[in-house]
Amino acid sequence: AQSVTQLDSQVPVFEEAPVELRCNYSSSVSVYLFWYVQYPNQGLQLLLKYLSGSTLVESINGFEAEFNKSQTSFHLRKPSVHISDTAEYFCAVKDTGGFKTIFGAGTRLFVKA
Amino acid sequence: DSGVTQTPKHLITATGQRVTLRCSPRSGDLSVYWYQQSLDQGLQFLIQYYNGEERAKGNILERFSAQQFPDLHSELNLSSLELGDSALYFCASSVSEAEEQYFGPGTRLTVT
Repeated sequence: AQSVTQLDSQVPVFEEAPVELRCNYSSSVSVYLFWYVQYPNQGLQLLLKYLSGSTLVESINGFEAEFNKSQTSFHLRKPSVHISDTAEYFCAVKDTGGFKTIFGAGTRLFVKA
Repeated sequence: DSGVTQTPKHLITATGQRVTLRCSPRSGDLSVYWYQQSLDQGLQFLIQYYNGEERAKGNILERFSAQQFPDLHSELNLSSLELGDSALYFCASSVSEAEEQYFGPGTRLTVT
């Protein structure tokens, strides 16, 4: 069965430092990949997605993720974080021919001043 | 604002009761998804509908049921409620099953 593993449940980091949130998935077929962000007391919002084409995808607020098919990974990175990036981040995967999107357990990013 | 609306925002009820959560998808979206989020279980996929038909089922209990109506809004019915059903329930919608999901603000259910 398809699964998504977010290797870190919590990531504390200082403001302006770089960060990487790791995501690995298990699937032997073609997939769509997503990162969602959930700010406190809000619903999830799409941060970025990989459907096809370039393996490096970027969001409007400086995050990027790279699809690595051989390592079945889709790690999220940001070179310099802000206090406002404090949130929970969810990696999600969906088989291109399937119906169900599988979400990881989430990584709580905590940015300290 | 994602364009997905959920009512009510908060719901407090007693064990054994039945509640109905309502979701209106974004205009034009045919797919509706329901999720349960709790501290101990994380985000759990419950069920998905596409244009009125059930498409996928996740970890949905038999006490829970859902439907999508012809106007595409959806309802999640939770019955014989238990303390452990206390959670945030999110609805999401998408244009098609290949596209990203847009989440509503959630309904916080507290069972006492």
